Formats: sequence, C-alpha cells, structure tokens
Amino acid sequence: TQLLEQSPQFLSIQEGENLTVYCNSSSVFSSLQWYRQEPGEGPVLLVTVVTGGEVKKLKRLTFQFGDARKDSSLHITAAQPGDTGLYLCAGETSSASKIIFGSGTRLSIRP
Amino acid sequence: NAGVTQTPKFHILKIGQSMTLQCTQDMNHNYMYWYRQDPGMGLKLIYYSVGAGITDKGEVPNGYNVSRSTTEDFPLRLELAAPSQTSVYFCASLTGSEQFFGPGTRLTVL
Repeated sequence: TQLLEQSPQFLSIQEGENLTVYCNSSSVFSSLQWYRQEPGEGPVLLVTVVTGGEVKKLKRLTFQFGDARKDSSLHITAAQPGDTGLYLCAGETSSASKIIFGSGTRLSIRP
Repeated sequence: NAGVTQTPKFHILKIGQSMTLQCTQDMNHNYMYWYRQDPGMGLKLIYYSVGAGITDKGEVPNGYNVSRSTTEDFPLRLELAAPSQTSVYFCASLTGSEQFFGPGTRLTVL
C-alpha cells in the first residue's frame, strides 16, 4: 500500500511569517505534484517535480523533490492571507499513472 | 473546451439506493480518475482508467463500480448506497503529469 503523509495537518500563522509543509512516503514516485484547493472547488495544480533533488520556485513558493523521490516539501516565504487554503501533494506511481494524494495541509494566514 | 464536467452537482440518496455519477472530458485524455474527498481531508483514489475498455481499482474501490466504454466518459456507479459514501466526488483526467479536475459532485446518503 502506498501512502503519502502530509505534515502538519493544520497550520495557522501570522502574515509575513515563513512556513514549510512536508509530504513523505516510503514509496518512490515517478513524479510528485502540489495542488491548492479552495472550498467548494477541485484542486488546482501548482507545480510538478520529476527529478530527484529538483527545486522549483513559483513566486514566494519553493518546491523540492527529495533525492530518492520519496518525499517533497513546500516552503512559503512571507506568507500572505491569499495563501490560505488546503494544500495537497500527489504522487504518480510508476505503474499506469496511478496518482494518489496526501491527506492535505490546511493553511490559514492571519492578517 | 469545456474540460472535465460532472453531473449532478448535488444529490441526496437514500440508504440502499443506487446511482451513477457522470463524468465527461472533451480533451481526448486517455487517463481518467475518480476520487472522493471527505470533509477537511485529502482525496482518496476510487478507480482509474488508462484508456477506453480498461479500468483498475484505486485505494478505496469497495461499494463502487466504473466503466469506460469511450475515451470521453467515465461514469461511477454506486450500488446499495451507505452513509459512509457521503462525500464529495471528483473526476479528473490526465495529460502529462497534470490532472484536470471537474467541479465535483456533493453526495449525501441518508
């Protein structure tokens, strides 16, 4: 059974602070995606990482794929209230593009 | 392109009843997925399909069935609905490594 565990489950911080969300598994993934989901809507893709050790930046968001392609992190610098939402990681297994999701991190940024 | 469309948006089902959730995509994607999402949680993979005529079980397939007779359509069938199947159901299709999600179906089983 392949599991993706995200931590923390909930995070509430002050505007301007930095934060890191983690996504861990004992399984190897061919790629890993990060999504953000707003209430009442489907997840929207933020980034895909494919190569072990890969780092991608999206404005104030930095995504890293672990060297062994089993884990990933999302770092947000100077968080803004607009960053509030549910952040989900998803891993694509090597077999037939089966994609499984982590349990999610609910982020709340206080003004 | 309409992308991924799902019907209905909302539905209330009685225990023991059956229903089909519809999912259609017009992007000619081979890969399609059904997920369920319980309140405040991540998505759990129910079934997926890598092309017409091919389906496979995900993480939580019990109580559900799917079919994939065409590239465009991937309906999800609930037989003998149970309260544990109350959830929001998302359908998605895949190109490359990006999934495109439908707006979801909010299902309540009472």
